[in-house]
Amino acid sequence: NAGVMQNPRHLVRRRGQEARLRCSPMKGHSHVYWYRQLPEEGLKFMVYLQKENIIDESGMPKERFSAEFPKEGPSILRIQQVVRGDSAAYFCASSPDRAGGYTFGSGTRLTVV
Amino acid sequence: RKEVEQDPGPFNVPEGATVAFNCTYSNSASQSFFWYRQDCRKEPKLLMSVYSSGNEDGRFTAQLNRASQYISLLIRDSKLSDSATYLCVVNIGPGSNYQLIWGAGTKLIIKP
Repeated sequence: NAGVMQNPRHLVRRRGQEARLRCSPMKGHSHVYWYRQLPEEGLKFMVYLQKENIIDESGMPKERFSAEFPKEGPSILRIQQVVRGDSAAYFCASSPDRAGGYTFGSGTRLTVV
Repeated sequence: RKEVEQDPGPFNVPEGATVAFNCTYSNSASQSFFWYRQDCRKEPKLLMSVYSSGNEDGRFTAQLNRASQYISLLIRDSKLSDSATYLCVVNIGPGSNYQLIWGAGTKLIIKP
């Protein structure tokens, strides 16, 4: 059982470019969550998805950020026109249901230069 | 008031000592509770769920006090490898799409 797989582990983008972060949940998990963690800060919820549906996007910035979890393939977090303030660790987690604990991926560390 | 509050620490504790942290939550409808551990620059990992009756896993004991709305984590005979940030997590339940609310973490440093 491969666990939650995120790639890339590290991503460097210039200001104005697009960043695409991928997350494959654990086998059998249909609930995916994206979190952002700034240096020396706690985890901040961004979005919760189930297959093909966004359940809760209350933590997503209104502009430039989008997420999807298609029927086939990984969940994608997309950041358009990145700015330096987007530099952070982005963690994906998955769970088999809504009430239990999550399993996290190793994260993608985005650096905007 | 934050939904989940933790003392950020750091707690500097000698190896072998016992250490305890509390975490308070504001939503009385909260349904499930967890402690996660996060090492520097790594992903959070589930340490233990917290049950109403309290639960123990080796050197770790978790307690829930619904009346006072807090959970606690006790670590006995602390090891150097226990140094990490401990995150308190609360599941609000169906009213908030079962969203997990995360505390900012308590940093623990075990000294030899």
